[in-house]
Amino acid sequence: KQEVTQIPAALSVPEGENLVLNCSFTDSAIYNLQWFRQDPGKGLTSLLLIQSSQREQTSGRLNASLDKSSGRSTLYIAASQPGDSATYLCASADSGNTPLVFGKGTRLSVIA
Amino acid sequence: DGGITQSPKYLFRKEGQNVTLSCEQNLNHDAMYWYRQDPGQGLRLIYYSQIVNDFQKGDIAEGYSVSREKKESFPLTVTSAQKNPTAFYLCATAQVAHTEAFFGQGTRLTVV
Repeated sequence: KQEVTQIPAALSVPEGENLVLNCSFTDSAIYNLQWFRQDPGKGLTSLLLIQSSQREQTSGRLNASLDKSSGRSTLYIAASQPGDSATYLCASADSGNTPLVFGKGTRLSVIA
Repeated sequence: DGGITQSPKYLFRKEGQNVTLSCEQNLNHDAMYWYRQDPGQGLRLIYYSQIVNDFQKGDIAEGYSVSREKKESFPLTVTSAQKNPTAFYLCATAQVAHTEAFFGQGTRLTVV
């Protein structure tokens, strides 16, 4: 059964720093991988989706990469801002019709 | 305005009562999901449906029930058999399995 892990559980950085959030998964036979953002008490907002055939996706200051062979995905945030403070979750969709499997998230704090 | 509507935002339940959480979508998505979120545990799948009049149990279905009589609606009933129902409940949809998932704003259920 697929397991998704996000390390660290929490991260605090000064404003303006570039940072990388990590996501690892145990079964490399994924269909796609999705990154989400969650603000306290809110639902999840989709940030980026990477298909298994892709290596990376970009949206503004965000860049997500996927390395199936090593079972890893990273979310790169450039020039971090206090408004980026939130919990970031990754989730994998496996082959077949199984629903997304989520990591527990990384809680990011960007300090002004 | 397209999207996913979860209601109510906050819900209080007395012990022994059944309560129903609403999830409505106007995105014309076939797949709908219910997740439960507890602090430090990430998202856990309760039930999912990939087509009208069909649904499957997730990892923690005990004490919950669902129906999918209409494409737009996927209500979740938390029964008295659910011993620890206090949690944040999230509904999600996807056009079909494996496509980008979108989330509602959640319902926070508290047992009083």
